[in-house]
Amino acid sequence: EPEVTQTPSHQVTQMGQEVILRCVPISNHLYFYWYRQILGQKVEFLVSFYNNEISEKSEIFDDQFSVERPDGSNFTLKIRSTKLEDSAMYFCASSETENEQFFGPGTRLTVL
Amino acid sequence: GQNIDQPTEMTATEGAIVQINCTYQTSGFNGLFWYQQHAGEAPTFLSYNVLDGLEEKGRFSSFLSRSKGYSYLLLKELQMKDSASYLCAVRGLYAGNNRKLIWGLGTSLAVNP
Repeated sequence: EPEVTQTPSHQVTQMGQEVILRCVPISNHLYFYWYRQILGQKVEFLVSFYNNEISEKSEIFDDQFSVERPDGSNFTLKIRSTKLEDSAMYFCASSETENEQFFGPGTRLTVL
Repeated sequence: GQNIDQPTEMTATEGAIVQINCTYQTSGFNGLFWYQQHAGEAPTFLSYNVLDGLEEKGRFSSFLSRSKGYSYLLLKELQMKDSASYLCAVRGLYAGNNRKLIWGLGTSLAVNP
C-alpha cells in the first residue's frame, strides 16, 4: 500500500541553525501539507500546497518557514533559523481528494 | 474564533462500547474527521462526515449534527489495541483549494482487560 515517507526520523540541531525536513508524498496525490505537534499538545496546521504553490498557511508559518517541491516526488519544509520552541514532531500529509489526508511517520525535531 | 472540544481522557473495558464526543465552533464547515493516534506515531484516518447522520465502518461509527456543532465516534467490541488518542478535526470554510484541518486536543482512550 502506498504511504507517505519522511526523513530524517529524528533531527537534532543547534538554535539558529537551518534545517530541512523532507517528505515524499503518495505519488498520485496533488495536495500536500505540513503539520506540527509539540509534545502533549494538539496537532497544528502549518501550510498546504497545491499546484506548485502555497494554498494556505497558518500564523505559525512565518518568514522563518518555507516549503518547496524541488522535483516530482519530494516536498520539503525549511526552517531558516531554528528556535527552541520549534522543537516538535513535524508531520507531512498528502491527499488525492478532500476526504482523507494520509500522514507520514513524522520527523522529531529537537532544537538545543 | 475556532474551537474544538473533546474530553481529555476516557477509560473502557475490553469488549465494551465507548462513545467519544466532539463539539466544534468554526468559521464555516466543510467536513469533520476522526483520526486515531498511537503514542509517538502519526495520525491515521478513521472517518469523515460532511452530512448529518451516522457513518458506519466496521467496529467504528461516526455521527454528525451540523446544527448542534456536534459529533461522536463510537467504538464497538473494544480491543486492547484501541488504546490510543482519538483526534477530532474540522475542515473550516472552503475557499479555493483550502484543505486546512483544525484539530482538537484529542481524547486519550485506555482500554482495560
